[in-house]
Amino acid sequence: GAVVSQHPSRVICKSGTSVKIECRSLDFQATTMFWYRQFPKQSLMLMATSNEGSKATYEQGVEKDKFLINHASLTLSTLTVTSAHPEDSSFYICSATSYSNQPQHFGDGTRLSIL
Amino acid sequence: AQSVSQHNHHVILSEAASLELGCNYSYGGTVNLFWYVQYPGQHLQLLLKYFSGDPLVKGIKGFEAEFIKSKFSFNLRKPSVQWSDTAEYFCAAGGGGGNKLTFGTGTQLKVEL
Repeated sequence: GAVVSQHPSRVICKSGTSVKIECRSLDFQATTMFWYRQFPKQSLMLMATSNEGSKATYEQGVEKDKFLINHASLTLSTLTVTSAHPEDSSFYICSATSYSNQPQHFGDGTRLSIL
Repeated sequence: AQSVSQHNHHVILSEAASLELGCNYSYGGTVNLFWYVQYPGQHLQLLLKYFSGDPLVKGIKGFEAEFIKSKFSFNLRKPSVQWSDTAEYFCAAGGGGGNKLTFGTGTQLKVEL
């Protein structure tokens, strides 16, 4: 149980393109989803927390106009990297939790490469 | 500010050796602690968690961790590692299961036959 599906697993695109990443909880309702970014040999850095039906809460230093998050249902959250540039290349990981006192369940991550 | 430190970045062990991975945290208020594992090519998976109660927590696959409040530590242990334990291990701290987590930098464990 508690499966989180993240799609796509890998994206390669040109600079200036907008890229959408989906995160789905397959067998549970995710009241909260989280988006992380991981640079090589570094830890996961939380970008934003997304609660269903409300605006995402962004961490300090994360541009909300650059990284658009939508959590329209209890099973789906999307992260859109707008007008992506090479410095946005990274590994993006989502996680989801069903209740406030339950561990997060992670997706497989999306490797984004901007040329 | 919250922080999690993992002291060992790379660990190489032979099969059947004992394992201890260090984790220290800095967190204001009540803290929940987690160890996640990421096997090659797979997503992060929960190994074990500590919310309250017995500070010695047992997780899956023979792993355990001990919460020592006075040392702000939550070290991961396994008495006898297997080749299949080769993975990256992340310690994380949060203020509640559904709240945001702060991760350590991870420890890459390689178990040799």
